[in-house]
Amino acid sequence: GENVEQHPSTLSVQEGDSAVIKCTYSDSASNYFPWYKQELGKGPQLIIDIRSNVGEKKDQRIAVTLNKTAKHFSLHITETQPEDSAVYFCAAYMDSNYQLIWGAGTKLIIKP
Amino acid sequence: DTGVSQDPRHKITKRGQNVTFRCDPISEHNRLYWYRQTLGQGPEFLTYFQNEAQLEKSRLLSDRFSAERPKGSFSTLEIQRTEQGDSAMYLCASSKTGGTEAFFGQGTRLTVV
Repeated sequence: GENVEQHPSTLSVQEGDSAVIKCTYSDSASNYFPWYKQELGKGPQLIIDIRSNVGEKKDQRIAVTLNKTAKHFSLHITETQPEDSAVYFCAAYMDSNYQLIWGAGTKLIIKP
Repeated sequence: DTGVSQDPRHKITKRGQNVTFRCDPISEHNRLYWYRQTLGQGPEFLTYFQNEAQLEKSRLLSDRFSAERPKGSFSTLEIQRTEQGDSAMYLCASSKTGGTEAFFGQGTRLTVV
């Protein structure tokens, strides 16, 4: 079955610097890759997503890149701010089973 | 607020008791999902509804778990004879038919003592 690995598990960056979180997936049939932000005690919030026919997508300070050949996708956050501190999850989706398979999460800490 | 709504937000129950959670999806969303999340982990898929039909069930969903979506709107997740290992956050999400963007509720945190 599909497996998603996410690295690093914890990332600490200085406010204003960039943060990069990386994920790999195992099933080449996956065709949709969302990123979620989860704050303590809350449900995951969709922040950006990318489909398999696109290599890069950007939304203000957030960007996602996808390398289908290598089965890698990454989240890039620029000019980090204290409110970016949260746990970030990547996920992979296949139409065949309607399931999102999730990475284990990255705790992002923004140091003032 | 037109987001996904879950009730209750927190539930503490004694081992062996039954509990039921409710999820109200975004109104125009036909698909509804239940996930379970334990501390430090990503959500794990439990089950999925397309309108009122339950189309997928994870092996995680033991016989003690049952989910319904009787009129294709809200859904309930019942856990019978709760065990301490059931303690987790139970998340509900919804999406449009043919859409992949899933929107999550705030979750119900279950503690079994």
